[in-house]
Amino acid sequence: GAVVSQHPSWVICKSGTSVKIECRSLDFQATTMFWYRQFPKQSLMLMATSNEGSKATYEQGVEKDKFLINHASLTLSTLTVTSAHPEDSSFYICSAPTGKSTDTQYFGPGTRLTVL
Amino acid sequence: GQQVMQIPQYQHVQEGEDFTTYCNSSTTLSNIQWYKQRPGGHPVFLIQLVKSGEVKKQKRLTFQFGEAKKNSSLHITATQTTDVGTYFCAGPNSGGSNYKLTFGKGTLLTVNP
Repeated sequence: GAVVSQHPSWVICKSGTSVKIECRSLDFQATTMFWYRQFPKQSLMLMATSNEGSKATYEQGVEKDKFLINHASLTLSTLTVTSAHPEDSSFYICSAPTGKSTDTQYFGPGTRLTVL
Repeated sequence: GQQVMQIPQYQHVQEGEDFTTYCNSSTTLSNIQWYKQRPGGHPVFLIQLVKSGEVKKQKRLTFQFGEAKKNSSLHITATQTTDVGTYFCAGPNSGGSNYKLTFGKGTLLTVNP
């Protein structure tokens, strides 16, 4: 089956630094990918829709200058958390539509970000 | 905006007992999907229901889609410790792209062996 990978799987950084997270579709092309964040014991909160070759679409309340998204190819989307602060610590998960049936998605394994 | 509500938030059962989680949408859905997330893991697609009144089974799991296509349920018969995790329902966003999903808050199932 299709696989979505994420790198890194976890990262610890100092406050004020920027962190880049990669999301790759390994055996299929994805013109659209989604970025979610999940706090402990909470649901998935959609942050933005990443569109290949065009600007990402951000959900209400998500700062686009804080969470930079680049979808440069049909298999890669990146999320950069700029000037990270402790409140940005979270589990970031990407997903891509399977293309097999309407709307179903493959999720990446997630990236756990801890900002000190 | 569209809301997807799920109850209960938590459920603890003894191994062998049954478990049910319920999902309700504020709008009619074209389909509903269920995902499972193991502790420390990521969501994994379980099933998609499309038709009004549809019932699908996967071994001990039974999924139902309501007649009005606004509610759904997941029932697990005779739970096992491998069933532990959070079960999310999700429906396509009514106002946006075909692929955008709105997730319920999930039901965390714990099983006492």
